[in-house]
Amino acid sequence: NAGVTQTPKFQVLKTGQSMTLQCAQDMNHNSMYWYRQDPGMGLRLIYYSASEGTTDKGEVPNGYNVSRLNKREFSLRLESAAPSQTSVYFCASSAIPGQGAMETQYFGPGTRLLVL
Amino acid sequence: ILNVEQSPQSLHVQEGDSTNFTCSFPSSNFYALHWYRWETAKSPEALFVMTLNGDEKKKGRISATLNTKEGYSYLYIKGSQPEDSATYLCAFSILNDMRFGAGTRLTVKP
Repeated sequence: NAGVTQTPKFQVLKTGQSMTLQCAQDMNHNSMYWYRQDPGMGLRLIYYSASEGTTDKGEVPNGYNVSRLNKREFSLRLESAAPSQTSVYFCASSAIPGQGAMETQYFGPGTRLLVL
Repeated sequence: ILNVEQSPQSLHVQEGDSTNFTCSFPSSNFYALHWYRWETAKSPEALFVMTLNGDEKKKGRISATLNTKEGYSYLYIKGSQPEDSATYLCAFSILNDMRFGAGTRLTVKP
């Protein structure tokens, strides 16, 4: 099992460009999450999907959209990238819908994004 | 506002020392408290999830305690080894909303 995979590993964008970060998990987990990690701030939740077909905002959703394509895949889209979105983005998954935060979350390797 | 505070920010210890870190979180509406270990250039890995006041969890030389009434958790490492060097994150959750602290960066010198 690959666990949680993310693509791309690294991306450079110009201000105003759009891109989609891909995440997939092969653990048959119901809940999936997107976080961003900035120096000195820990991980901050952008969006989550408690189960297939549902998505909800986290702590810092502005400037992002998500799609839960199917049970395996959860993508994060930046429609018009800004320098403030320079960060490392982590996707995570957990097993139980609605109780994801009581369950261990498994993280992907991260996508490093630089917006110029 | 779900603020999670961790202290200290960083810690340098000698191999063989025992050490501990603190995680403070809002004591109202408690749901779960998580500890993660995050090595440089890797993904965070779960250590413990605790849900009940007074919970104590242990994994090898690492253990954690939880006090939900006063809103804190301690992580202990007994006999630190260089391979314990990592950032230790705690996270407080309400349903699916997870709030992470900034972490304690531990460096263990041989």
